[in-house]
Amino acid sequence: EMQLVQSGGGLVQPGGSLRLSCVASGFTFSGFWMNWLRQAPGKGLEWVANINQDGNETHYVDSVKGRFTISRDNAKDSLYLQLNILRAEDTALYYCAKTGHYWDLDYWGQGSLVTVSS
Amino acid sequence: SYELTQPLSVSVALGQTTTITCGGDNIGSHSVQWFQQKPGQAPVLVIYRDSVRPSGVPERFSGSKSGGTAILTISRAQAGDEADYYCQVWDSGSGVFGGGTELTVL
Repeated sequence: EMQLVQSGGGLVQPGGSLRLSCVASGFTFSGFWMNWLRQAPGKGLEWVANINQDGNETHYVDSVKGRFTISRDNAKDSLYLQLNILRAEDTALYYCAKTGHYWDLDYWGQGSLVTVSS
Repeated sequence: SYELTQPLSVSVALGQTTTITCGGDNIGSHSVQWFQQKPGQAPVLVIYRDSVRPSGVPERFSGSKSGGTAILTISRAQAGDEADYYCQVWDSGSGVFGGGTELTVL
């Protein structure tokens, strides 16, 4: 069974940093693009970033460029999102998601809550 | 930047059929995905490549395109179909979501 298990959320002050993790199981992690998405409280879904199989190609939504970094460790079947210079508007439930063969987001993690507040 | 437009809310009577639309410029050239999200849960993929149902998704869910609009059709609506529904495409390497549609089953 394919599974994505997330960890690393929490409360952080504005300007602070946090690292989210997502551990994959049940599929060949190194064979797929991976994504981070988020959902602010009461709001819709927003794609944040993705990374290719080798980790040498990444894409970001404009609002996080220069502040967030997506990375992966295929030896550990793990995906990461480093969040720096956090703002109140970054408060959201963050999801990791696998990209399927047809660029479908076919499996999602359970979500990690990030709250940016003083 | 590319934008997708969905109605804020749609309602359907139990057992009836409803559609949720997703509009975008030249959406015909994009492959559209649809997600269902129930309260407190992660989104679930219900349609990909415009009209393909993943394994385990009921046949009552179907996707199509007409003109500049992608359409999610839910037939014989059940109480368990109450959820938020989001359309999504990839544009210039970035993911784009519609604002979401809240489906109410009456």
